[in-house]
Amino acid sequence: AQSVTQLDSQVPVFEEAPVELRCNYSSSVSVYLFWYVQYPNQGLQLLLKYLSGSTLVESINGFEAEFNKSQTSFHLRKPSVHISDTAEYFCAVSDSTGFQKLVFGTGTRLLVSP
Amino acid sequence: SQTIHQWPATLVQPVGSPLSLECTVEGTSNPNLYWYRQAAGRGLQLLFYSVGIGQISSEVPQNLSASRPQDRQFILSSKKLLLSDSGFYLCAWSGSQPTGGAFFGQGTRLTVV
Repeated sequence: AQSVTQLDSQVPVFEEAPVELRCNYSSSVSVYLFWYVQYPNQGLQLLLKYLSGSTLVESINGFEAEFNKSQTSFHLRKPSVHISDTAEYFCAVSDSTGFQKLVFGTGTRLLVSP
Repeated sequence: SQTIHQWPATLVQPVGSPLSLECTVEGTSNPNLYWYRQAAGRGLQLLFYSVGIGQISSEVPQNLSASRPQDRQFILSSKKLLLSDSGFYLCAWSGSQPTGGAFFGQGTRLTVV
């Protein structure tokens, strides 16, 4: 079985500052990794995913995440955040060898202030 | 393109009353369907998933049940709601291959009073 740990429940940053949201996972099999973003009272939107190949994946709005197999991590980064990035971010993992059940972390609330 | 509809957006129900939440997907066939519950500070918990009509797998024992009467319709039900059933319920779909991630509806905020 897989598990995901997001140690930071809340990350406050100032606008235009860099940010890193941490995600560590545990699995005995190969996995796919995902980051989702949730705005207040809305569903989750897929932000980016790692399936295979290059360990650095990017989203269209400036976020990137790097898969580190030795550290079992998939941290999310952005070099300069905007007010509009304020949201909750969820890391998720699924077993790459079979049926896709997403296992989520508890989420990190990113608070961007001016 | 594919879309997922989930309703209602909010619901306030008394303890002991029944529940029915509906989710439909458009623009794809034979999707995998999921019901998740989000409780404050606890991330998302997978409640049920389905790989086809009438095929339901339950992840955790609870006061809820799910049904899939049609290929693109997924229903979450309860005969008698408990206070602990309050939460944010999310329906999602994915393809049969595990590479695409899941796509979520807008969610239903259920408050049991």
